[in-house]
Amino acid sequence: QQQVKQSPQSLIVQKGGIPIINCAYENTAFDYFPWYQQFPGKGPALLIAIRPDVSEKKEGRFTISFNKSAKQFSLHIMDSQPGDSATYFCAASIGNNDMRFGAGTRLTVKP
Amino acid sequence: GAVVSQHPSRVICKSGTSVKIECRSLDFQATTMFWYRQFPKQSLMLMATSNEGSKATYEQGVEKDKFLINHASLTLSTLTVTSAHPEDSSFYICSASGSGGAADTQYFGPGTRLTVL
Repeated sequence: QQQVKQSPQSLIVQKGGIPIINCAYENTAFDYFPWYQQFPGKGPALLIAIRPDVSEKKEGRFTISFNKSAKQFSLHIMDSQPGDSATYFCAASIGNNDMRFGAGTRLTVKP
Repeated sequence: GAVVSQHPSRVICKSGTSVKIECRSLDFQATTMFWYRQFPKQSLMLMATSNEGSKATYEQGVEKDKFLINHASLTLSTLTVTSAHPEDSSFYICSASGSGGAADTQYFGPGTRLTVL
């Protein structure tokens, strides 16, 4: 049973565009929602994370929007660059435990 | 800070052999370590959670006798794949969370690519 649903599966944007990746969850006990970036053959690296007491968080070019009532959250990448081309995973966990990942979104940013 | 290392980064072995993968937290004490498996172009699947000094908790469907996890110290956890078979070939990734500044999230290692011939 997939506890965190992520879309789209792949995404292609031009340099400078704003890719948006969406995730939805079912378990209302989740209280921590991180986004990870993964390059081929590497482990995932934490980009940004949010807790349900806020609706938006911004760090550099990355913004998370969080809608608690809809049980949805999304990642926006401002001014995307070719170096942002990677696979992005959303996740949800209870504290730091029981972390469940979305299926991943393969982002390609064209020069 | 909050760096997690894994060793080896790649391993190729023959079917039937056992392989040990080490996961170390380099600059913090990892009270909890997690092991994930990732097949090509797929997501990370949690295999087990281990707390220092106690037995690991395995996810449903993960054979605890095949994937032996030891978390003997606050900086080291090991995953041993016993009697490995080709279907065990995968990317194994550990993560760790700890106390203080490392308590806010899981920090992931670089992964270990296991290929079983």
